[in-house]
Amino acid sequence: LAKTTQPISMDSYEGQEVNITCSHNNIATNDYITWYQQFPSQGPRFIIQGYKTKVTNEVASLFIPADRKSSTLSLPRVSLSDTAVYYCLVGEFGHASGGSYIPTFGRGTSLIVHP
Amino acid sequence: EAGVTQFPSHSVIEKGQTVTLRCDPISGHDNLYWYRRVMGKEIKFLLHFVKESKQDESGMPNNRFLAERTGGTYSTLKVQPAELEDSGVYFCASRGRDGYEQYFGPGTRLTVT
Repeated sequence: LAKTTQPISMDSYEGQEVNITCSHNNIATNDYITWYQQFPSQGPRFIIQGYKTKVTNEVASLFIPADRKSSTLSLPRVSLSDTAVYYCLVGEFGHASGGSYIPTFGRGTSLIVHP
Repeated sequence: EAGVTQFPSHSVIEKGQTVTLRCDPISGHDNLYWYRRVMGKEIKFLLHFVKESKQDESGMPNNRFLAERTGGTYSTLKVQPAELEDSGVYFCASRGRDGYEQYFGPGTRLTVT
């Protein structure tokens, strides 16, 4: 399984753009990159998934360079409610069947948004 | 659409007692997963059901843990007898047959004293 490395914590202020980078140097050809968000006292929630280049949805954007050895989750104009832990996961997560892939959660990045 | 629900939200039991956690997945989701996070550690996979069958139970810590999913709907996770190190938050997640996203429940916080 590809190991991921991401910052333990980040601080930001309301209205700013936040970029969280995840390193996954040994990502495999069939691996997808998935980000989850977790609020206190809740389970993780899927944010976005991508394989290469850029993916954007209503919540975030995911930038993946050509070598796919890293990825950056971008949260535009964060608010206090974006304070959460963000997990970067790598694996064969994107196949339609899901297969037998089991997501491996690391420590995640604790994002604190200040007023 | 109702999400994944878990019961109870919090359970406090004494060492040696038995506790049963319940998970109700999203209706129609064949895949059901159990995870747990013990204090200060990462979220760890326990097992995976496809309908009523155990697809992967490689994460189950020992034989004090028993998971069932009779009828392929809700699932239970029984801990018997509970030990202090079993304290943590137990999450359940479900996934549709053709999807890749797992939907997590709010978790059950288990405290063994």
